[in-house]
Amino acid sequence: GQQVMQIPQYQHVQEGEDFTTYCNSSTTLSNIQWYKQRPGGHPVFLIQLVKSGEVKKQKRLTFQFGEAKKNSSLHITATQTTDVGTYFCAGPLKGSGNTGKLIFGQGTTLQVKP
Amino acid sequence: DAGITQSPRYKITETGRQVTLMCHQTWSHSYMFWYRQDLGHGLRLIYYSAAADITDKGEVPDGYVVSRSKTENFPLTLESATRSQTSVYFCASSVGHQPQHFGDGTRLSIL
Repeated sequence: GQQVMQIPQYQHVQEGEDFTTYCNSSTTLSNIQWYKQRPGGHPVFLIQLVKSGEVKKQKRLTFQFGEAKKNSSLHITATQTTDVGTYFCAGPLKGSGNTGKLIFGQGTTLQVKP
Repeated sequence: DAGITQSPRYKITETGRQVTLMCHQTWSHSYMFWYRQDLGHGLRLIYYSAAADITDKGEVPDGYVVSRSKTENFPLTLESATRSQTSVYFCASSVGHQPQHFGDGTRLSIL
């Protein structure tokens, strides 16, 4: 069946270091969404990428959508303690049309040492 | 997001009991979703609803029942709770394929 895999599962960095999480889909995706979940919180939407090769930036966060629309990455430059949390990628469930049904990756949990 | 609320926030119950988790949204979003979150599995879709009186199964529907008599409410019922249903449950809503807005979650423990 359709799968969305994220690596790494966990990452510990020193504050100020960069961080990257990778998302790989078994199928081509029409779009990919990224969510952040703070410890004890709920997922919060960050961004959606739609076009092949698309790159979007939000301050220190850079999101990329692969040329084949099967992979994506989130890169954080100079991490801060406020970046702590779990980052999820999600794509439309195959065959779901415009229902909004998503399949999520397992998430990458980021810990930042001050 | 204050527009989507879940209750209760925490619940402890025993195996075999029926449990209902509530979800209420004030945006009039047509689509609503129930997920469970477990370590190592991320978020898995239990059920979703495209509109009032329209519901469909997700990835892990067994043991769960949903209803949606009104657009704003989407309760999730565990008819006979099992320990494997101990999890954090999130409700979400959206306008079609637009990004989903999540509630604060319900932490459910089944003893």
